[in-house]
Amino acid sequence: LLVESGGGLVQPGGSLRLSCAASGFTVSSNHMSWVRQAPGKGLEWVSVIYSGGHIYYADSVKGRFTISRDNSKNTLSLQMNSLRADDTAVYYCARDPGVGLLLGMDVWGQGTTVKVS
Amino acid sequence: QSVLTQPPSVSEAPRQRVTISCSGNSSNIGKNAVHWYQHIPGRAPRLLIYYDNLLPSGVSARFSASKSGTSASLAISGLQSEDEADYYCAAWDDTLNGLVFGGGTKLTVL
Repeated sequence: LLVESGGGLVQPGGSLRLSCAASGFTVSSNHMSWVRQAPGKGLEWVSVIYSGGHIYYADSVKGRFTISRDNSKNTLSLQMNSLRADDTAVYYCARDPGVGLLLGMDVWGQGTTVKVS
Repeated sequence: QSVLTQPPSVSEAPRQRVTISCSGNSSNIGKNAVHWYQHIPGRAPRLLIYYDNLLPSGVSARFSASKSGTSASLAISGLQSEDEADYYCAAWDDTLNGLVFGGGTKLTVL
């Protein structure tokens, strides 16, 4: 189970930190991603932290967003800075249990809404 | 403009079969695993297919998928009204160093 929190309304240029609490599995043993869906748009991948620690970002958020995990709390986080209107979306955290490669995200949170206005 | 190309919409009658295509290139589909997701607005996306053509436990065998070269497809047989949703393909892209999604296909069961 994944439960996101931290969404809300923020002004352009502001910051927000999303959290994703996991239960039933260990975050650090899986590849963990953030995926978002802007209003009226499709799914867009945001960032991934592999089980081995490698981190990647979509070009649209590179330099502004930071993904991290807290092994002691079994949580995933997304620090979002310099927010823009086009970051407005529902943000989902998701687990990919693949060994090495990304094979498919089989557990998703319910999503948390970020509005930048 | 999505890196992976899907038809915006498909429609078919109940109990029929429909396929959804997903076209990519040698950096994504041609080299990495394709996954497929079902997304009903307001709900969390659901994994339908992983590693090109494998069904997670709990997913109906009415769903199947295939991949050839730089294209993939999802097939849904025995269409039911509950299958109405948006469907997305995804794959890692070695050039972009990121996961890319298709633009999504809206399935309407007539």
